[in-house]
Amino acid sequence: EVQLVESGGGLVQPGGSLRLSCAASGFTFSDRYMDWVRQAPGKRLEWVGRIRNKEDSYTTEYAASVRGRFMITRDDSKNSMFLQMNRLKTEDTAVYYCVKDSGSGKHFDYWGQGALVTVSS
Amino acid sequence: DIQMTQSPSTLSASVGDRVTITCRASQSISGLLAWYQQKPGKAPKLLISKASNLNSGVPSRFSGSGSGTEFTLTISSLQPDDFATYYCQQCNTYPLTFGQGTRLDIK
Repeated sequence: EVQLVESGGGLVQPGGSLRLSCAASGFTFSDRYMDWVRQAPGKRLEWVGRIRNKEDSYTTEYAASVRGRFMITRDDSKNSMFLQMNRLKTEDTAVYYCVKDSGSGKHFDYWGQGALVTVSS
Repeated sequence: DIQMTQSPSTLSASVGDRVTITCRASQSISGLLAWYQQKPGKAPKLLISKASNLNSGVPSRFSGSGSGTEFTLTISSLQPDDFATYYCQQCNTYPLTFGQGTRLDIK
């Protein structure tokens, strides 16, 4: 059974930093591209970014709204993905989902339960 | 960026009804569209990929169609478990983008 479990959410002041983790199980993590998607309260889903696999050199893509402030990394030896969030803004307040790419297109076949990040003074 | 627009934003229907949700892309995305279902406080669930491919375990009352810029999600006979919010996602070009959602309510 595929499981994605996020951790590391919480309350942070504007300008601060936070690191989210995603622990994956139930599939060959190292083979898959992985993404982060967020959802602000009452808003639509927003794609945050992607990290490809080793075969594709762990390259990344980011939404313009987070590029230069957020960084996605992964540790295949620990079946884990990370989202380092710096220079946080109030508009980054959202539930952050770790998602698994299907492998057959840029859609997401499994989602974690989400981690709430609140940016507020 | 490719803008995704769903209609309607809210839909009220009854158990047994046939309902259709439309998703329009601001430019052609070929057939690279996914549909998700989200219930309050829960993560989205993949229903359909590549416009019409039903995900494993999804009931056959769900179907998708379309290509280019216009797509539809149809539920042939609404069941109580189907009342939720539905999102489309274009899977063609970065940044990947989602529609604003269609909330399906019980009439």
